[in-house]
Amino acid sequence: ETGVTQTPRHLVMGMTNKKSLKCEQHLGHNAMYWYKQSAKKPLELMFVYNFKEQTENNSVPSRFSPECPNSSHLFLHLHTLQPEDSALYLCASSQEGTRSSYEQYFGPGTRLTVT
Amino acid sequence: GENVEQHPSTLSVQEGDSAVIKCTYSDSASNYFPWYKQELGKRPQLIIDIRSNVGEKKDQRIAVTLNKTAKHFSLHITETQPEDSAVYFCAASMRDSSYKLIFGSGTRLLVRP
Repeated sequence: ETGVTQTPRHLVMGMTNKKSLKCEQHLGHNAMYWYKQSAKKPLELMFVYNFKEQTENNSVPSRFSPECPNSSHLFLHLHTLQPEDSALYLCASSQEGTRSSYEQYFGPGTRLTVT
Repeated sequence: GENVEQHPSTLSVQEGDSAVIKCTYSDSASNYFPWYKQELGKRPQLIIDIRSNVGEKKDQRIAVTLNKTAKHFSLHITETQPEDSAVYFCAASMRDSSYKLIFGSGTRLLVRP
């Protein structure tokens, strides 16, 4: 257990549904990330949050909406998705501002299927 | 922005042989280069990293080399074992201005017993 949990682990949703992915880190980190992992682009950065502030939005469509209420929790709200959005969504966290380690710790991912 | 290219996409080696995976990056300002290993059905995990002020780093059977002039870095695995079979990702980052990682496309390594 790396200390980063994600729920749900699997999600099937229709294109008109609204759902949310949840990530929680128990490592005391101050930065959190959303990645999309698919066959076409294996590890594609979507969003970066540092101390609850969004510092990066990697040209992600607005049908993906992130939320970071505190340094331990990160959400990805989904609405009107397309079949090509089907992928594994990975959350990660890291402790920024120190020189000892830059490691990002990944969660187990949510396998999303859009029908 | 930064772009990272990784080769080969698949690599098959006999147990005990060495494996080498290569990556190139585009932004000369990048100064941090980690390697992540992702076993089937599992999350990516950091196995080794290197910063731009060194040219080589070793940790038991794995090593990473960096050529800043040519803007490429490589992962070397010696005496490969079946448990080394996984997908390996390289990444690059400009640590002074950002901590986002730009990943390569991954290399699927198969170690044949």
